[in-house]
Amino acid sequence: AQRVTQPEKLLSVFKGAPVELKCNYSYSGSPELFWYVQYSRQRLQLLLRHISRESIKGFTADLNKGETSFHLKKPFAQEEDSAMYYCALRIDDGGSQGNLIFGKGTKLSVKP
Amino acid sequence: DGGITQSPKYLFRKEGQNVTLSCEQNLNHDAMYWYRQDPGQGLRLIYYSQIVNDFQKGDIAEGYSVSREKKESFPLTVTSAQKNPTAFYLCASSTTGTGTYGYTFGSGTRLTVV
Repeated sequence: AQRVTQPEKLLSVFKGAPVELKCNYSYSGSPELFWYVQYSRQRLQLLLRHISRESIKGFTADLNKGETSFHLKKPFAQEEDSAMYYCALRIDDGGSQGNLIFGKGTKLSVKP
Repeated sequence: DGGITQSPKYLFRKEGQNVTLSCEQNLNHDAMYWYRQDPGQGLRLIYYSQIVNDFQKGDIAEGYSVSREKKESFPLTVTSAQKNPTAFYLCASSTTGTGTYGYTFGSGTRLTVV
């Protein structure tokens, strides 16, 4: 069954420290993964896609098919990074083509 | 200014009443989705539609209904059969097929049953 697991509900780090938000997935097809972010009082928005291999706001994420992981990393956390982060897997089989399955989210808190 | 609009932002419902949440997009997206967001539960898919006049149940469709009469609109009705309707509801839209760029989300509707 398709599944996205974010093992940490809450991650708290100090400003300037490295941060890694974990995401593991279970999917028999070719995975397409995303990270979404929801800042306080703002709508959920796309942070990055693994296909584009981009770095947004200093965050990067590498797809590791061997470990079925797509962890989100940033070398130096900033206070403005405090938000809710969701990992999502796009499934592409039968009638569910294009649907995203979301993890339960990790709340990142960056302390001054 | 293209985007996806949900209304109202806050909605209060008495037990036993049906209510309809609005979702409109002007992005020319074929697909639209409704999610429910609860603390600690992440986003759970209620219904989705990949084309006008067609929609499919998601993981938690019981107690909800939708329609897709126009490409731009995908209203969600929360019926009295929904046992625990108090939640934050998110609508999203996307292109379909290969090369999709993820979803565009609305700002959400917070429904409270009183």
